[in-house]
Amino acid sequence: SQTIHQWPATLVQPVGSPLSLECTVEGTSNPNLYWYRQAAGRGLQLLFYSVGIGQISSEVPQNLSASRPQDRQFILSSKKLLLSDSGFYLCALNLGSGGTQYFGPGTRLLVL
Amino acid sequence: GENVEQHPSTLSVQEGDSAVIKCTYSDSASNYFPWYKQELGKGPQLIIDIRSNVGEKKDQRIAVTLNKTAKHFSLHITETQPEDSAVYFCAATPDYNFNKFYFGSGTKLNVKP
Repeated sequence: SQTIHQWPATLVQPVGSPLSLECTVEGTSNPNLYWYRQAAGRGLQLLFYSVGIGQISSEVPQNLSASRPQDRQFILSSKKLLLSDSGFYLCALNLGSGGTQYFGPGTRLLVL
Repeated sequence: GENVEQHPSTLSVQEGDSAVIKCTYSDSASNYFPWYKQELGKGPQLIIDIRSNVGEKKDQRIAVTLNKTAKHFSLHITETQPEDSAVYFCAATPDYNFNKFYFGSGTKLNVKP
């Protein structure tokens, strides 16, 4: 079965610093991959999704970008973090048509 | 696009009682409705799902019902236990390729022993 890894688990960064969060998956090939953000006590906001290498769709304009350099790797980045970027970042995958969406363990980001 | 609303935002029940969480959706093309349980500090975990060609699905103490005409679906947990305490999210997806899942705002369930 598929496994989703995210690191780091927690991260504290100063405002204006860059960001790179990594998500890697095992046990599957050519998955659809997703980045979500969850503010404290709130729901899930879809940020980006990817249906293949180099293919990125952005859901909301923001201070973040995503890349998919390899089939099983999905990266979330920022050149300059804002306070509002704080949150719980979740990577997810599904296996295509009719597939269930599975979530990784998440990265908690605190921007100070 | 799709809009999913979830109620209540918080729910407190006594151990052994039942809990019901309700969601409505707006896009009649939505055809897959999963429910997730999120424990503190962890990613959401799928607990049950239902497709639009089915009206009800059960898995032990958990059941989900779907009313396509009214565009609402509900999660039912019977004989609640303290370990059921968590945040529950509903979701809907109208996308044939399941590229976009639209989530409700979540329900924090507290089961009191």
